[in-house]
Amino acid sequence: QVQLKESGPGLVQPSETLSLTCTVSGFSLTSYSVSWVRQPSGKGPEWMGRMWYDGDTAYNSALKSRLSISRDTSKNQVFLKMNSLQTDDTGTYYCTRDRGYTNYWGQGVMVTVSS
Amino acid sequence: DIVMTQSPSSLAVSAGETVTINCKSSQSLFGTIRQKNYLAWYQQKPGQSPKLLIYLASTRESGVPDRFIGSGSGTDFTLTISSVQAEDLANYYCQQYFDTPWTFGGGTKLELK
Repeated sequence: QVQLKESGPGLVQPSETLSLTCTVSGFSLTSYSVSWVRQPSGKGPEWMGRMWYDGDTAYNSALKSRLSISRDTSKNQVFLKMNSLQTDDTGTYYCTRDRGYTNYWGQGVMVTVSS
Repeated sequence: DIVMTQSPSSLAVSAGETVTINCKSSQSLFGTIRQKNYLAWYQQKPGQSPKLLIYLASTRESGVPDRFIGSGSGTDFTLTISSVQAEDLANYYCQQYFDTPWTFGGGTKLELK
């Protein structure tokens, strides 16, 4: 069955870089696109960016200068790197299999930006 | 960016009631090529990932009870939950996928009266 699982550090220092990995199973990254979505506590989700099935990427313009999404199809992994983290980047980060709408979500990883 | 505005932000209901959640987009979500509205609805319970309920504004995801009904077109959309059950108490979000960046509404919290 389709599964996505996020992994990465739970605590990041302000101004540092966040690195997260999404490991997928049950589908191929060359057939489906994967997006990263984050959600501050008590607020609505925010779409961050997408790794298209063909290897192209799309980013939320609000984050584009800080964000990079890549993949390793041989390992079934999609990566997120975001630099210059600040406290308002705190929240739960999800990787998702999306067709525009998202019918598969990972469990999410809580990231706290704090010194 | 397309702005999604949901109302109300919270709603207190009794079991068995019918509730309506509204979502308005800052521009039309109607795609003229496929003649579809690119609007989805999600349910999120505390500590869980969002769950897809509705896509293309009115198509129910497999396994979603038929008491969840999506409607609307263009810029105005509605999620109706008929005969609310205790398990429906959650946060609900609309999302547009007409254009990137995909954007979500601020959410509606459904609470018990």
